[in-house]
Amino acid sequence: AQTVTQSQPEMSVQEAETVTLSCTYDTSESDYYLFWYKQPPSRQMILVIRQEAYKQQNATENRFSVNFQKAAKSFSLKISDSQLGDAAMYFCAYPQGGSEKLVFGKGMKLTVNP
Amino acid sequence: SQTIHQWPATLVQPVGSPLSLECTVEGTSNPNLYWYRQAAGRGLQLLFYSVGIGQISSEVPQNLSASRPQDRQFILSSKKLLLSDSGFYLCAWSVSGATDTQYFGPGTRLTVL
Repeated sequence: AQTVTQSQPEMSVQEAETVTLSCTYDTSESDYYLFWYKQPPSRQMILVIRQEAYKQQNATENRFSVNFQKAAKSFSLKISDSQLGDAAMYFCAYPQGGSEKLVFGKGMKLTVNP
Repeated sequence: SQTIHQWPATLVQPVGSPLSLECTVEGTSNPNLYWYRQAAGRGLQLLFYSVGIGQISSEVPQNLSASRPQDRQFILSSKKLLLSDSGFYLCAWSVSGATDTQYFGPGTRLTVL
């Protein structure tokens, strides 16, 4: 079965510091997307960043960047200059078997300390 | 720009009562549509998805059903709610295609008493 694993259920970071959230996945596909979603207390899922597996370059969106290691099937999210508003649940996801269906990890709760 | 709406935002229903949650998308045509459920403190579970009007795929056997009466409308229903149906229900859409990004609505918090 194809799976997504977020091994750290919770993390905390000091405001303005950097934190890295880990994610590993298992797929037999060669071309796919990977996603990080954020779920703040409002519970709406918000797309943080998307990585295309065929691209060598790691995706970056402002303070958010990924470290994509295709061979290792690893897709970590780095948050730089952490802000209080970054506190949320973070979910890693990828399309199951290249289909329309996303498989989500169990999520990781990030706390940002002032 | 595209927007996705869900209503109601919050719902409290007795066991055995019917359910109807609605999701609509604006600003796009022929989207893929999805219903997810999130139990407290857990990840997302895909319930149904639809690639077109009248085309519904079910992922999890349960007492819930979904319908897509119009291109941009997706409805989640139940004839008789169970306690285990409590949770947070999220609707999402994506552009037609195998691996496109899914965009989520604000969700509905359902409590079955």
